[in-house]
Formats: sequence, structure tokens, C-alpha cells
Amino acid sequence: GAGVSQSPSNKVTEKGKDVELRCDPISGHTALYWYRQSLGQGLEFLIYFQGNSAPDKSGLPSDRFSAERTGGSVSTLTIQRTQQEDSAVYLCASSFSGQRTDTQYFGPGTRLTVL
Amino acid sequence: AQSVTQPDIHITVSEGASLELRCNYSYGATPYLFWYVQSPGQGLQLLLKYFSGDTLVQGIKGFEAEFKRSQSSFNLRKPSVHWSDAAEYFCAVGGRAGNNRKLIWGLGTSLAVNP
Repeated sequence: GAGVSQSPSNKVTEKGKDVELRCDPISGHTALYWYRQSLGQGLEFLIYFQGNSAPDKSGLPSDRFSAERTGGSVSTLTIQRTQQEDSAVYLCASSFSGQRTDTQYFGPGTRLTVL
Repeated sequence: AQSVTQPDIHITVSEGASLELRCNYSYGATPYLFWYVQSPGQGLQLLLKYFSGDTLVQGIKGFEAEFKRSQSSFNLRKPSVHWSDAAEYFCAVGGRAGNNRKLIWGLGTSLAVNP
């Protein structure tokens, strides 16, 4: 029914802690994408899922970042041992089939602040 | 290298005036082209997209964009701006071949509308 939802909307954490960000795509959408939006950096692609598999993980900035998707629906982005440079808005998008012509629908994002 | 350039970081127009937001891209072949809008506290919303065919595409909210292959440009236009159009506008490109579904984004243009 509703659009892409993300939780939490805001997350403040201390440097070195792990965080989990959640994305609920639009029901029936098989493709899911994670992006990061930083001040002055624009949006950068992190990872793309087709179903539960991730054909493209090329945007994950380091091995501290990982993501999984279960049941072809909900996805979790995990950042281990957070650093201050991880502070950003993390955006999730989904599309119907993952075809290049698909429109990607975005969630409102999770604002992560690492102190 | 693949990139998207939005030369104008910030634009201010008067309500009722015409608007053109510039977007230039660098890509190995003709990509798919998108314009998204992001209002404060809102997720990214697709305004319009170009895949093939007519190079002048119409979008929502009265926006249109023209793909010019020779100039590697995809500029966004609106004949008469409304105060509610104040937002951040992003141009993005996506690949047509291979398994790459990611979008490459410009840094955005912030639009302010004077009453």
C-alpha cells in the first residue's frame, strides 16, 4: 500500500558503535537500493538487491558496511564500528522489477549522526 | 569517468517566472536520464525520465526536460514557477547495459522562489 518506509528516521550514535538501518520497500517490488546522501557529496550508490541477492555491492565504502535482504522484502543496512564520516542520510529505494526503465521510489531516509 | 554535473548550486527566481535547471553528464553511451525533486523532510520524488524516443519529455507538476545528445545535456524547464516548487532538484543517469542498475547523481540545485 504505502510507499517505502525507513526506520529509524533519526539515529545518533557514538563513534565505534554498530548501527542497523531498516528499509521496508513497496509491496511487490523486487528490486531494492541503498544510497547515502552526504553534505557536499550528493547521493552515492551503496548496494542493489534483486530479490534476496545483491548483484551490485560496488558502492559499499568499506567492509564495515554490509546489507542483507530477507524474504525478498525488508532490508537491513549495518554499519559496524561507526566513524564520524559515516554521518549522512541513508536512503532506500525500491522498484518493481529492477529493470533499468523502472522508476525507483525513495523512502524518507534515516539521518545518522556519529558523535 | 561517469559523472553528472549540475552547474548551479543555488538558483532564486520570482514566482511566475520561467525556470531552467542545467544538467550535463559524462557517460560511455547514452544513459537513462532522470530528474528528481526533494522537498524538506520529504523523500526524493521522480519528476520525469528519458529512456528513448521523443527527446522532449513531460513530467509532473508542469516540468519538462529536453535531452540533447550533442551537448550531453538534460535540462529541466518550467514556464511558470510556483512557490511550492522551492526544493532541491537532482539530475541522475542510469546505465543501459550489464547488471548495473545504480544511478549516478549530480550534487543538486537548490531552488528558492520569491513571492
